[in-house]
Amino acid sequence: EAGVAQSPRYKIIEKRQSVAFWCNPISGHATLYWYQQILGQGPKLLIQFQNNGVVDDSQLPKDRFSAERLKGVDSTLKIQPAKLEDSAVYLCASRGGYNEQFFGPGTRLTVL
Amino acid sequence: AQSVSQHNHHVILSEAASLELGCNYSYGGTVNLFWYVQYPGQHLQLLLKYFSGDPLVKGIKGFEAEFIKSKFSFNLRKPSVQWSDTAEYFCAVNARSNDYKLSFGAGTTVTVRA
Repeated sequence: EAGVAQSPRYKIIEKRQSVAFWCNPISGHATLYWYQQILGQGPKLLIQFQNNGVVDDSQLPKDRFSAERLKGVDSTLKIQPAKLEDSAVYLCASRGGYNEQFFGPGTRLTVL
Repeated sequence: AQSVSQHNHHVILSEAASLELGCNYSYGGTVNLFWYVQYPGQHLQLLLKYFSGDPLVKGIKGFEAEFIKSKFSFNLRKPSVQWSDTAEYFCAVNARSNDYKLSFGAGTTVTVRA
């Protein structure tokens, strides 16, 4: 079974630029999560999708972050414009019918 | 809201030493508990999980954890560590009532010296 795929693995941008991350969950997993992991901290949930609908985006900084999952499969997370404090690893996870989330390798974002 | 605290930020051990990492959570309802591991340069992997039943849970690579409900704790243990156990360890909790959203602790970095 293929795991959760994410790209790119690394991204370096300057502040005020925009960036997008892509996630392809495990086939058949209806629930998709985006987490932000700042160095020295545990992952923090940004947004949760159920199929193509948003379940919880209460922790998403909506003035600069946006996410979509238009066809209920892969998802894109965008930051525009980026700030220095957005430097982090962005993790995507998916969950099927059971209570276990499978994580992708993450995208390490550095904002200069 | 759920929260998780991990007692140690960084633990340094010699090979064959025993390891115990503390984890406490706060949540008023029924919870599910997890330990994840992140090896250098790799993604988060599930070590073990507790949903119900026997409070002593055995996971992969010789790890185990004990759920003590009265103490709101879920401590991770390994009797004899190896150099390859060098990694970051995260305790996490979720609940069905919260749609299974995971709340993570800050993580503990474990360094095993050969």
